[in-house]
Amino acid sequence: NAGVTQTPKFQVLKTGQSMTLQCAQDMNHEYMSWYRQDPGMGLRLIHYSVGAGITDQGEVPNGYNVSRSTTEDFPLRLLSAAPSQTSVYFCASSYRTPSAYNEQFFGPGTRLTVL
Amino acid sequence: SQELEQSPQSLIVQEGKNLTINCTSSKTLYGLYWYKQKYGEGLIFLMMLQKGGEEKSHEKITAKLDEKKQQSSLHITASQPSHAGIYLCGADMGTDKLIFGTGTRLQVFP
Repeated sequence: NAGVTQTPKFQVLKTGQSMTLQCAQDMNHEYMSWYRQDPGMGLRLIHYSVGAGITDQGEVPNGYNVSRSTTEDFPLRLLSAAPSQTSVYFCASSYRTPSAYNEQFFGPGTRLTVL
Repeated sequence: SQELEQSPQSLIVQEGKNLTINCTSSKTLYGLYWYKQKYGEGLIFLMMLQKGGEEKSHEKITAKLDEKKQQSSLHITASQPSHAGIYLCGADMGTDKLIFGTGTRLQVFP
């Protein structure tokens, strides 16, 4: 199993550009989520999905869109990049929701810089 | 998240010393997860706790969830340079979300 994979590893954007961060898992996990990590802020939840076709907002959803058309993939879209979105983005997945008491598996992260 | 506070924010210890990191919630914790992150890398799962008073250990790391289920502590015995990194607690507060604390940066010097 490849686990949770994220592409790209690094990305530089100009303000106003759009892009999609890719996340895929091959563990047949129902639950997937996106976090951003800023210095001194820990991880903040952007969006999450409890299954294909179902998504919901986390703590900091503004400026980001998600969709979950398949169990395996959970892409994160930046509609119009802003310097405030410069961060490291982590995708995570688990068999069920966190309330089901199960381990979250994290991808290696995407380091995004918006100029 | 302000709902979940970690302390201290940063810790520098000499190799061989014991240390404790705390994770305090403003709400009841239905599940508490501890992760470690090496600088510039992804998160490594350490352990998860669910029941009040529960304690788990892995090698020299012990974590406990208090009886009231609003605080967890992570204790490292005889720290080593390999323990250096960022420790993050993640909490299930009865929703479908896993909310993380701000992290504790640990440095261990010889």
